[in-house]
Amino acid sequence: GESVGLHLPTLSVQEGDNSIINCAYSNSASDYFIWYKQESGKGPQFIIDIRSNMDKRQGQRVTVLLNKTVKHLSLQIAATQPGDSAVYFCAVAPGSARQLTFGSGTQLTVLP
Amino acid sequence: SQTIHQWPATLVQPVGSPLSLECTVEGTSNPNLYWYRQAAGRGLQLLFYSVGIGQISSEVPQNLSASRPQDRQFILSSKKLLLSDSGFYLCARGANVLTFGAGSRLTVL
Repeated sequence: GESVGLHLPTLSVQEGDNSIINCAYSNSASDYFIWYKQESGKGPQFIIDIRSNMDKRQGQRVTVLLNKTVKHLSLQIAATQPGDSAVYFCAVAPGSARQLTFGSGTQLTVLP
Repeated sequence: SQTIHQWPATLVQPVGSPLSLECTVEGTSNPNLYWYRQAAGRGLQLLFYSVGIGQISSEVPQNLSASRPQDRQFILSSKKLLLSDSGFYLCARGANVLTFGAGSRLTVL
């Protein structure tokens, strides 16, 4: 099976700085990776995804990096804003969504 | 719209009482639907998924059951709640990327 772990359960950054949230997975057959953002009391929201045939993908202010050699995934948020404060989850799958394994989440706090 | 509606948003129930959480979805017909539970400070655990009306797969043995009486309706139930059933229950839809509802917070006392 798959296990997914995040390196830090909490992360505090100054407003305007860049944030990096890391995630490690165990199954080398995993080929689909997703980052979700969950604000307090709400359901997770999709941020960005990446497939194993890529090592980097960029969105608006976010970048996901995938290192298949060491089975490591990271989410970078540029110019972090107060609205970025939330719990961030990585999810990993060898195939369909029903096989998604979620990490335990990193609480990002943006300091003024 | 792929909106997901969940209710109730918050529920406090005594141990041993029954439970019914409802999820309805808009948009594309015959969606894959999921029930997840999220314990405080932890990740999401898949409880049930459904690929169509009356088709339910259970991922973990537990005190809960699920039903899909209509294409866009997914119900999570229990006959007798346990304290350990407390948590945040999320309905989701999707084939690869999951879209989640706003969740139902259940507290069992």
